Amino acid sequence: SAVISQKPSRDICQRGTSLTIQCQVDSQVTMMFWYRQQPGQSLTLIATANQGSEATYESGFVIDKFPISRPNLTFSTLTVSNMSPEDSSIYLCSDTDTQYFGPGTRLTVL
Amino acid sequence: GENVEQHPSTLSVQEGDSAVIKCTYSDSASNYFPWYKQELGKGPQLIIDIRSNVGEKKDQRIAVTLNKTAKHFSLHITETQPEDSAVYFCAASISRGSNSGYALNFGKGTSLLVTP
Repeated sequence: SAVISQKPSRDICQRGTSLTIQCQVDSQVTMMFWYRQQPGQSLTLIATANQGSEATYESGFVIDKFPISRPNLTFSTLTVSNMSPEDSSIYLCSDTDTQYFGPGTRLTVL
Repeated sequence: GENVEQHPSTLSVQEGDSAVIKCTYSDSASNYFPWYKQELGKGPQLIIDIRSNVGEKKDQRIAVTLNKTAKHFSLHITETQPEDSAVYFCAASISRGSNSGYALNFGKGTSLLVTP
């Protein structure tokens, strides 16, 4: 089974700044996904991170706000751009092969 | 559209009793149904899953049933213990990408409290 790690585990950021979250899988996986979990809510799919091509975004999420990179089969990054307090959430990555989740990045925007 | 409904939103049981959480889904193409347990401050942990070619699966005190015709699936926890207290999420697969990969559409979660 794949082990998924994320960095940072948490951060407190100022409005208007950007944060890049890293997701590392300990084995090669075909597809990686980014989810958002707003406080007290369920998980919502943000986008699919494809290796060698642009990410595909779900309705309500756009590349300018959440740019994603997938340079290889074990790594992806999600950037939360021009943050506002509404972006305060837990951001999680997972993969299609195991459906395991990383521990999440708890983001607070002041 | 793709939608997963989960009930109840909160559930309180006494230690030793059983707990049942039910979900329905709308996408007839869904063929994978995992359940996650999320404790405070942690990421979701996969506890059991079922695929559409199976009607029931059991792992010790946890079982999942699937009725694909009715688009229902349920989580059953027997002999509950205080450490079972957590938020439980059901999910149904949604097709994404060109390589038959799939992401998940989640229910809204059930907060389970097991009292000693």
